[in-house]
Amino acid sequence: ETGVTQTPRHLVMGMTNKKSLKCEQHLGHNAMYWYKQSAKKPLELMFVYSLEERVENNSVPSRFSPECPNSSHLFLHLHTLQPEDSALYLCASSQEWTGTYEQYFGPGTRLTVT
Amino acid sequence: DAKTTQPNSMESNEEEPVHLPCNHSTISGTDYIHWYRQLPSQGPEYVIHGLTSNVNNRMASLAIAEDRKSSTLILHRATLRDAAVYYCILRPWDNYGQNFVFGPGTRLSVLP
Repeated sequence: ETGVTQTPRHLVMGMTNKKSLKCEQHLGHNAMYWYKQSAKKPLELMFVYSLEERVENNSVPSRFSPECPNSSHLFLHLHTLQPEDSALYLCASSQEWTGTYEQYFGPGTRLTVT
Repeated sequence: DAKTTQPNSMESNEEEPVHLPCNHSTISGTDYIHWYRQLPSQGPEYVIHGLTSNVNNRMASLAIAEDRKSSTLILHRATLRDAAVYYCILRPWDNYGQNFVFGPGTRLSVLP
């Protein structure tokens, strides 16, 4: 247990569906992150939030929409996804958004787009 | 972003020490060296990080070269549970505009 939880753990959705991934951290951290891990590829950073403000958006398609209502919760809203979006989506948090602090990852949501 | 280079794979015997190398010849003075590992079907797990001096914690030790152009993660007694992909990453303390850039890492196999 890292103190970062993600739900659901598995999700299958059609290309026309809308779904949301949820992340919650119980560590009192100020920064939260979304990563994507496709098969046979390194982790890719998608979004970074610091104190509920988005500070990084790594050229992610608009069909992925993040939301950070408070420093403990992070959502990733999904709509009209493509099969190539099938991947493991990981949430992480850290004390602050600097390299001084380590990140703690959740277990991920395995997403399959059909 | 400064880059790191790691061997694709390594093998170790159970209960023996393991030294996982990482080269980061373009490291800057403000870069922290972070190590994470990812077990099969799990999210990455923080292992250790440091700036200039060697670091120890309950999981591992981090040995940093004097010129900081390379580092070594040391697992003192490998167990089967240590089989994972190990990532070495650089991250500046003044983070703004920088990201965690994960490479392919080193896949460690532990033989019983």
